Amino acid sequence: DAGITQSPRHKVTETGTPVTLRCHQTENHRYMYWYRQDPGHGLRLIHYSYGVKDTDKGEVSDGYSVSRSKTEDFLLTLESATSSQTSVYFCATETDRGRLGLEGYTFGSGTRLTVV
Amino acid sequence: AQSVTQLGSHVSVSEGALVLLRCNYSSSVPPYLFWYVQYPNQGLQLLLKYTSAATLVKGINGFEAEFKKSETSFHLTKPSAHMSDAAEYFCAVSSNTGNQFYFGTGTSLTVIP
Repeated sequence: DAGITQSPRHKVTETGTPVTLRCHQTENHRYMYWYRQDPGHGLRLIHYSYGVKDTDKGEVSDGYSVSRSKTEDFLLTLESATSSQTSVYFCATETDRGRLGLEGYTFGSGTRLTVV
Repeated sequence: AQSVTQLGSHVSVSEGALVLLRCNYSSSVPPYLFWYVQYPNQGLQLLLKYTSAATLVKGINGFEAEFKKSETSFHLTKPSAHMSDAAEYFCAVSSNTGNQFYFGTGTSLTVIP
């Protein structure tokens, strides 16, 4: 899966606690994304990054923050976890756009987060 | 904003039968379109993509999709289903700037022996 590692793979946390999920890539891809996957909603974009220290919000960014201090790492933080943030979180990367434009994403294996 | 609609959250076919998974998009300009497959407990894998080079796109595992601008559709097909095709399939469209992809809600494919 193009050298994308998500950690942890599973986590159970209590409401109100901060949680940080990590995405690490070894492909030197410029673009990185955090999505959440929920039944009936497909994948929804939380935040994305188009370079070191360059990030932007997606459609469901409330309650989440991100940081990208190195090309290879993209961190997603839930400042104060709520039950509505129970979900499967996927990191994706995209290399620089090629001759035909967008190359499509490469996905990590996901982090299953449960907030109790 | 762009969007995609996948008709049918669950599709069942017999082994050896035609697979047809439907995807319609909304876009004011020709978009980039993608199909991804997700096997249980795994991330999504790219099946194929449309980038305006050809309207009929061939992907991995015998899948193909045809871009029809007049119908704003990008349906995924496979002539003969195999048991290993059982998975969840997602259609996606890029934003006009290419900074974001918008995913459909997914279609779960069951293959009946």
